[in-house]
Amino acid sequence: EAQVTQNPRYLITVTGKKLTVTCSQNMNHEYMSWYRQDPGLGLRQIYYSMNVEVTDKGDVPEGYKVSRKEKRNFPLILESPSPNQTSLYFCASSPYGDRPAYEQYFGPGTRLTVT
Amino acid sequence: GESVGLHLPTLSVQEGDNSIINCAYSNSASDYFIWYKQESGKGPQFIIDIRSNMDKRQGQRVTVLLNKTVKHLSLQIAATQPGDSAVYFCAEILTGTASKLTFGTGTRLQVTL
Repeated sequence: EAQVTQNPRYLITVTGKKLTVTCSQNMNHEYMSWYRQDPGLGLRQIYYSMNVEVTDKGDVPEGYKVSRKEKRNFPLILESPSPNQTSLYFCASSPYGDRPAYEQYFGPGTRLTVT
Repeated sequence: GESVGLHLPTLSVQEGDNSIINCAYSNSASDYFIWYKQESGKGPQFIIDIRSNMDKRQGQRVTVLLNKTVKHLSLQIAATQPGDSAVYFCAEILTGTASKLTFGTGTRLQVTL
C-alpha cells in the first residue's frame, strides 16, 4: 500500500531530552516535508526537502533539524525539546519535485508532548 | 488530533442535508486552492482543488466555489453523510511558490443523525 508512515505515533518526553521522529514513504517521491499543527493555527511548515541531500527551512524551523540521506526517509530531530514544541506533527511527501504543493500525501501524525 | 479541534468553528449538519464550509483567504496573489479533509487521528487528505482562473469545480458530491472579488472559497458537500464528519482545511498556493502550501485554520463538520 502506498503510504507515508511516521514513528512513533505518540511520544511524551521531558525538556532537553533529544528525540527523533521518523518519516518514511514508499512511493519514490522526491519531495518531503514536515508540518506542525496547533490549535487555531492550522498546519505550519517546519522543513522541507526537494530531493536527497537538499533541505530548506519552512516557516517555523527553530528548534528542529532534519536530514535527507535517502529518498524514502526524512527524520525530524529535536536536539533539546521544549514545552512549546508540544504539538501534532505531520510528514508529507509529493511526487512533484518542481511543484510539490499541488499534490501532497500526509502521514498519520505524531502527537508529541514535552513536559 | 482531537485537541486541534477545540478552538475551531463548528458546523453542525443533519445527515442528508447539504453542507457549506467557508474559507477566506488574504493573498490576492494565490493562484491555486485546495480543500483537505482531516479525520480524527489521521493526516489531511486531498478532496478537491481549483485554479484561480476558475469559479467552480465539481467532484463526487463536492463542489468548490471561488470568488476572487471578495477572496472567498467555499466547499459544498451534497447529501452529507456521517463519514463526512471531520475537520476541513482550505490551503492556498501563491503564484510562483509551487513548493509552499499555506493552510487555513479549519472548520469542524459534525453530522448529526
